[in-house]
Amino acid sequence: AQKVTQAQTEISVVEKEDVTLDCVYETRDTTYYLFWYKQPPSGELVFLIRRNSFDEQNEISGRYSWNFQKSTSSFNFTITASQVVDSAVYFCAGARGGNKLTFGTGTQLKVEL
Amino acid sequence: EPEVTQTPSHQVTQMGQEVILRCVPISNHLYFYWYRQILGQKVEFLVSFYNNEISEKSEIFDDQFSVERPDGSNFTLKIRSTKLEDSAMYFCASSEVEDRDGYTFGSGTRLTVV
Repeated sequence: AQKVTQAQTEISVVEKEDVTLDCVYETRDTTYYLFWYKQPPSGELVFLIRRNSFDEQNEISGRYSWNFQKSTSSFNFTITASQVVDSAVYFCAGARGGNKLTFGTGTQLKVEL
Repeated sequence: EPEVTQTPSHQVTQMGQEVILRCVPISNHLYFYWYRQILGQKVEFLVSFYNNEISEKSEIFDDQFSVERPDGSNFTLKIRSTKLEDSAMYFCASSEVEDRDGYTFGSGTRLTVV
């Protein structure tokens, strides 16, 4: 069975601050996939990133970056220079390809002016 | 960009009534899923569907639930006799076998049972 832990329930930052959202994914599988989704107040799930378990290269996309460390089972997500529009619930999820996603409990990010 | 389409966006139903939630997955995707999110909680897996049959289901997906792919494009979730605790956002998703960009979710159907 897989377990996704997002220990941070809620984070509040002031605009332009950097913020890191933590995720720990526990599984016995050697091959798996990790995801981050954003859920804005409107409720839809917006795909942000997918990583393979065998690819530990960090990834940067604009103000977003992801750090995957297999040794610690962590897949952390950093937003640089946060903006009010980044306010949302962020979910980390994992899967064995082609199978169901297991979601974490989400982190509510509030970015204030 | 291809989308997963869900209808209706919001449905209100009386307890005990049957509801059918509809989804049109991305056309070349082979795996289909339903997930549920009770307000303020995490997203939970209900069922996966592949090759015209259920491939996996969770404990939530009891005899009151059923899924169907009645034609080549639609994927439906039926709740036979709704309960108050079925009130939630229901998300449909689809994926390719060798998925590159992640599971694609629809925008959800908010089901309210009164």
